Amino acid sequence: AQSVTQLDSQVPVFEEAPVELRCNYSSSVSVYLFWYVQYPNQGLQLLLKYLSGSTLVKGINGFEAEFNKSQTSFHLRKPSVHISDTAEYFCAVTPLGGSARQLTFGSGTQLTVLP
Amino acid sequence: ETGVTQTPRHLVMGMTNKKSLKCEQHLGHNAMYWYKQSAKKPLELMFVYSLEERVENNSVPSRFSPECPNSSHLFLHLHTLQPEDSALYLCASSQDGNTDTQYFGPGTRLTVL
Repeated sequence: AQSVTQLDSQVPVFEEAPVELRCNYSSSVSVYLFWYVQYPNQGLQLLLKYLSGSTLVKGINGFEAEFNKSQTSFHLRKPSVHISDTAEYFCAVTPLGGSARQLTFGSGTQLTVLP
Repeated sequence: ETGVTQTPRHLVMGMTNKKSLKCEQHLGHNAMYWYKQSAKKPLELMFVYSLEERVENNSVPSRFSPECPNSSHLFLHLHTLQPEDSALYLCASSQDGNTDTQYFGPGTRLTVL
């Protein structure tokens, strides 16, 4: 079984400032890692995912995340945020060799970008 | 329409009512999911259908009853719900491989009075 911890439930940040949303996971097997974003009144959509290869993964809307196996982390970053980035962000993992149905989500981080 | 659609978007029901949530996917996927999203809690996977067969039922109370008549449609039948069942119910679909992205609908906001 695996679990995901998102260390910050709310992150307020000013427009054009950098942001990092933290995600740590626990698993007895190797995992694939995902970040999803949920804009107000919408469902979740994929931001980026790490499957293999380079540990730095680039996603949509200027976001990137770095997989750190030794620290079991997959933190999400953006160098300069916009008002439109205000949303809830979910980190998720699924075990290698499993299926998409085994996706385990964290409890989410609400990012609020202030003018 | 494209992607994953859900109807209704909002639903208010009494504890004695019977209602159904509908989900439709236009992506050609072979797996569909129901999730419950409550405030400040991780998404809870309720049911999974793969190739129209239910493959997971995560200890969900029997007052929730899923139905998957074909690979494009998924229903969640509701009866005698409790106020604590009030939440956002999300439908998703994917191919059934573990690197495959799940695509979510906008959800149904359910309020049980």
